[in-house]
Amino acid sequence: KAGVTQTPRYLIKTRGQQVTLSCSPISGHRSVSWYQQTPGQGLQFLFEYFSETQRNKGNFPGRFSGRQFSNSRSEMNVSTLELGDSALYLCASRHDPGLWGDEQYFGPGTRLTVT
Amino acid sequence: DAKTTQPNSMESNEEEPVHLPCNHSTISGTDYIHWYRQLPSQGPEYVIHGLTSNVNNRMASLAIAEDRKSSTLILHRATLRDAAVYYCILRGTQGGSEKLVFGKGTKLTVNP
Repeated sequence: KAGVTQTPRYLIKTRGQQVTLSCSPISGHRSVSWYQQTPGQGLQFLFEYFSETQRNKGNFPGRFSGRQFSNSRSEMNVSTLELGDSALYLCASRHDPGLWGDEQYFGPGTRLTVT
Repeated sequence: DAKTTQPNSMESNEEEPVHLPCNHSTISGTDYIHWYRQLPSQGPEYVIHGLTSNVNNRMASLAIAEDRKSSTLILHRATLRDAAVYYCILRGTQGGSEKLVFGKGTKLTVNP
């Protein structure tokens, strides 16, 4: 079974631009979560989508948004990029978010650099 | 929100057991304790999880204190491939929304 895939793997953008990152979950997984990882803050939860609906949201500004499609693929968008948005963005999928013990499978991440 | 506390770093020798501690003194009754690890240049990888009882799988063992305020991830025989950052995470619900709290992680160095 193929793992979680994220595209692109690397991205360089300029301050003020917007960016869209894509995530394809493991086949059969209906929940997709997004995380931001920086050296200073570590891993921080952005949001989780299940059945095309945002189910949970972390403490990030409204510039960070996401969506999920009917095939469970997900995209996240960051508008008006700031230098501090430079980070590794990780996507994770799992089968059923109702199972609190359910394990997540992470993708390799998209490395975003904002200049 | 419940938080976890882990040592910043630990060191071990190859083929020796490793005990990675995690404190979660404000854990609630419905929080599961999850452990993930992140190898260099990779996304995190699930290791193990538990609620109240100790758990074993092919990768590791998880020992949970009776009061659930702390837990220990046990790698029975460390290998060089176990060198990674290990995260202790609480998963549960509070007020209907799932809360996801990552610790800062412990960087494990394995010496040959």
